[in-house]
Amino acid sequence: QQPVQSPQAVILREGEDAVINCSSSKALYSVHWYRQKHGEAPVFLMILLKGGEQKGHDKISASFNEKKQQSSLYLTASQLSYSGTYFCGTEAGNTPLVFGKGTRLSVIA
Amino acid sequence: GAGVSQSPSNKVTEKGKDVELRCDPISGHTALYWYRQSLGQGLEFLIYFQGNSAPDKSGLPSDRFSAERTGGSVSTLTIQRTQQEDSAVYLCASSLGQGAFQKYFGPGTRLTVT
Repeated sequence: QQPVQSPQAVILREGEDAVINCSSSKALYSVHWYRQKHGEAPVFLMILLKGGEQKGHDKISASFNEKKQQSSLYLTASQLSYSGTYFCGTEAGNTPLVFGKGTRLSVIA
Repeated sequence: GAGVSQSPSNKVTEKGKDVELRCDPISGHTALYWYRQSLGQGLEFLIYFQGNSAPDKSGLPSDRFSAERTGGSVSTLTIQRTQQEDSAVYLCASSLGQGAFQKYFGPGTRLTVT
């Protein structure tokens, strides 16, 4: 079952912060985050496993609350290069990776 | 090393024709996934292979779609009697296994059905 992402789109000025949320109605095994720039393939950001994990990737970090079946991606001090569409993907049990509809992030100068 | 490759990069076909899309995963990757992305839309799961078997075909939109994987490597996605709504970018991804492994995406095949 497809996870639900919010917001659908967000516009930031350089240096501002953003949070992208991902939730599922199923018990999750892992949450994956990818970023896709226009005309390119999705690029891996990070994987979070159940256990309330948090991870960081430069100024991009994420948390995973398995009890709430939710994950959040945090982008701090945004840069122009952060622009793109962010997808969360979830795996539950033996089900393969299913992605949400994406969050379009635009960072402007 | 080489990443995931897909061919052709672009395919224009007439409605009703059959098409074959090819995916070459990263060597040693046992898991292979096909996704479809329509214009401005998300990543729609189609099918997943572990080795040569496809334990999950639940995402295939109709019986016109089929896929196979041979030798635990190359995969082919076949669409028979193409329809205009099949127009999309078809993305292939591979990983070391099913589960919490990073998925590596290919550049995709852009299919246009006229």
